[in-house]
Amino acid sequence: GAVVSQHPSWVICKSGTSVKIECRSLDFQATTMFWYRQFPKQSLMLMATSNEGSKATYEQGVEKDKFLINHASLTLSTLTVTSAHPEDSSFYICSAREVSGTLAGELFFGEGSRLTVL
Amino acid sequence: AQKITQTQPGMFVQEKEAVTLDCTYDTSDPSYGLFWYKQPSSGEMIFLIYQGSYDQQNATEGRYSLNFQKARKSANLVISASQLGDSAMYFCAMREGRDSSYKLIFGSGTRLLVRP
Repeated sequence: GAVVSQHPSWVICKSGTSVKIECRSLDFQATTMFWYRQFPKQSLMLMATSNEGSKATYEQGVEKDKFLINHASLTLSTLTVTSAHPEDSSFYICSAREVSGTLAGELFFGEGSRLTVL
Repeated sequence: AQKITQTQPGMFVQEKEAVTLDCTYDTSDPSYGLFWYKQPSSGEMIFLIYQGSYDQQNATEGRYSLNFQKARKSANLVISASQLGDSAMYFCAMREGRDSSYKLIFGSGTRLLVRP
């Protein structure tokens, strides 16, 4: 199947710094990528939908200025957590939608990035 | 209101036995898709099975089958011949409509533990 890679897989940063997480589709083009957030032992919550070449669409309650999303190419979307605070510590997962393919197989998930803010 | 409900926070099953993980959903859209994902402790989301709202037959993928009861709005996952490697979190998810956004809404998950 198609591969979606996230980098870094884990990161520890100091409070107040910014952290960038990359989501890459390695062997397919993704017009749409999704960013999810998962707190420990909880479900995945959709944060935003990232479309190549346009502004991201954020879900209600997600701060646009806090979580900057850029989808500059068909294979890369980035999530930047600005001025990170301990409450931003979470597991961030991206998924990418393949441009063509069967309906069920179009969406692929990255391995996730675990952010810990000290 | 919850769109996807998984009422079993945790389940145990004996190795080699079958287990059913429950999922109910709520939507007024006639076109939707239902997904099951497995999330092991490493964190990655592994796609297991998909059922479209217009599919006439229940989906099957190897040891996984989806018991789709449209009138009851349920989409339970059945895992046959459980293996130790099946121990993980399992999430049911739904995509509504046929728009291009392809957003998935996830349930709260069920943690499955397979006993040897």
